[in-house]
Amino acid sequence: EPEVTQTPSHQVTQMGQEVILRCVPISNHLYFYWYRQILGQKVEFLVSFYNNEISEKSEIFDDQFSVERPDGSNFTLKIRSTKLEDSAMYFCASRGALRAGSEQYFGPGTRLTVT
Amino acid sequence: GIQVEQSPPDLILQEGANSTLRCNFSDSVNNLQWFHQNPWGQLINLFYIPSGTKQNGRLSATTVATERYSLLYISSSQTTDSGVYFCARSASGGYQKVTFGTGTKLQVIP
Repeated sequence: EPEVTQTPSHQVTQMGQEVILRCVPISNHLYFYWYRQILGQKVEFLVSFYNNEISEKSEIFDDQFSVERPDGSNFTLKIRSTKLEDSAMYFCASRGALRAGSEQYFGPGTRLTVT
Repeated sequence: GIQVEQSPPDLILQEGANSTLRCNFSDSVNNLQWFHQNPWGQLINLFYIPSGTKQNGRLSATTVATERYSLLYISSSQTTDSGVYFCARSASGGYQKVTFGTGTKLQVIP
């Protein structure tokens, strides 16, 4: 079965540093998403991406965040200057179509620890 | 906005016991997913179940879309079933971001 993969599984960084989290969505999918889960809390939507541009974003997704699909396979989330409160699990997801009833496939996540 | 509520919030089971987790949602759904988050935080896709019943080994799920709920059944639980179980559903419009429930934290003890 096709799957979404994410690297690294765990990233430790110092406050103020830039981090890039990487995702490889399922190959024929067109819609891409990032979600975040702060420890002990719900998984929250960050951003959706389609046709090489952001299609929707939450209020969490401020100017410190950016997303990119640099080539035909990777989908990245960049945090420019990390803060302690950015420590969380980050999940990537992809979907093949927007028709009603299509499944969104999630990757296993990257744990980001900001010290 | 979309509301997704899960019950119970916490559950402790003896190994070998069965359990039922419930997910209620506030409006009509065209897709519903169940996930297991293991103790390392990884999210594992369990079921995509907008309606009807599916089974995968000791796990099965049923969604009754007209009554706005879904159930996840775990039979003969094992310690490896421990973790948090989330249900989630997509918005029906826009780019269909997923809204997650608050989760059920399951601990299976030997």
